Amino acid sequence: SQTIHQWPATLVQPVGSPLSLECTVEGTSNPNLYWYRQAAGRGLQLLFYSVGIGQISSEVPQNLSASRPQDRQFILSSKKLLLSDSGFYLCAWGGQGIQYFGAGTRLSVL
Amino acid sequence: AQSVTQPDIHITVSEGASLELRCNYSYGATPYLFWYVQSPGQGLQLLLKYFSGDTLVQGIKGFEAEFKRSQSSFNLRKPSVHWSDAAEYFCAVGAGRNQGGKLIFGQGTELSVKP
Repeated sequence: SQTIHQWPATLVQPVGSPLSLECTVEGTSNPNLYWYRQAAGRGLQLLFYSVGIGQISSEVPQNLSASRPQDRQFILSSKKLLLSDSGFYLCAWGGQGIQYFGAGTRLSVL
Repeated sequence: AQSVTQPDIHITVSEGASLELRCNYSYGATPYLFWYVQSPGQGLQLLLKYFSGDTLVQGIKGFEAEFKRSQSSFNLRKPSVHWSDAAEYFCAVGAGRNQGGKLIFGQGTELSVKP
C-alpha cells in the first residue's frame, strides 16, 4: 500500500534562516506531488505541484521554492524565512484523481 | 474558473443528532468531488468521493454525500454524530483535465459536537 512521509512534524525557525521540508512517497510510481500551506483558521492554499521529476509548477508568488530530485521525493525550501511563512505545511500525492495527505509540518517563524 | 463554497464556517450539533454540511461548486463539466476531514494538527483524510454514476455516495465513518447537478451541490450528511466527529471538513472539486490533478478546496467547516 502507498504511504506518505513528511518531516519534521514541528519546526521553529528564526526569521532569515533557511528552510527545507521533505516529503517522500512509498508504494507508487510517478505520482503527482503537491505542497499546501494552511494558515491558522484558514483553508488550504496550493503552493506547488509536480507531475514528474524536475517539473515544478508554482501557484502563487512567494518566498518559497520546491524541487523534485527523485520520483517520490518532494522538497519545499526557502533561503530566508519571513514571519509570514509561519503555518501548517501539507504534502500530498495524487493518483487517479485523488489526493492523499501527509501528517503535516507546523512551522513557526520567530 | 472552478470554485468551491462552504457557506458555514462553524457548526455545532449535539451528539446523536443528524448532520448536514453544505458545499456548492462552480465547474463547467461533470466534476470530480471530494470531502476530506482534518483533525487538529493532522493531515487531511479522504471521507468520500464522487466521479460518476450513483449520485449518493457512501464514505468512511458513516458519512454519505449526494451530488445534485441542478443545485451544483455536494452536501455531506451523517444520521447520528459522534463526539469523535468533531473536526474540520473540507469539500473539494477536481480542477479539470491537464491541471496536474489539482483540487480546488473550500474554506472548510469546523464541526463542534456537544455532549
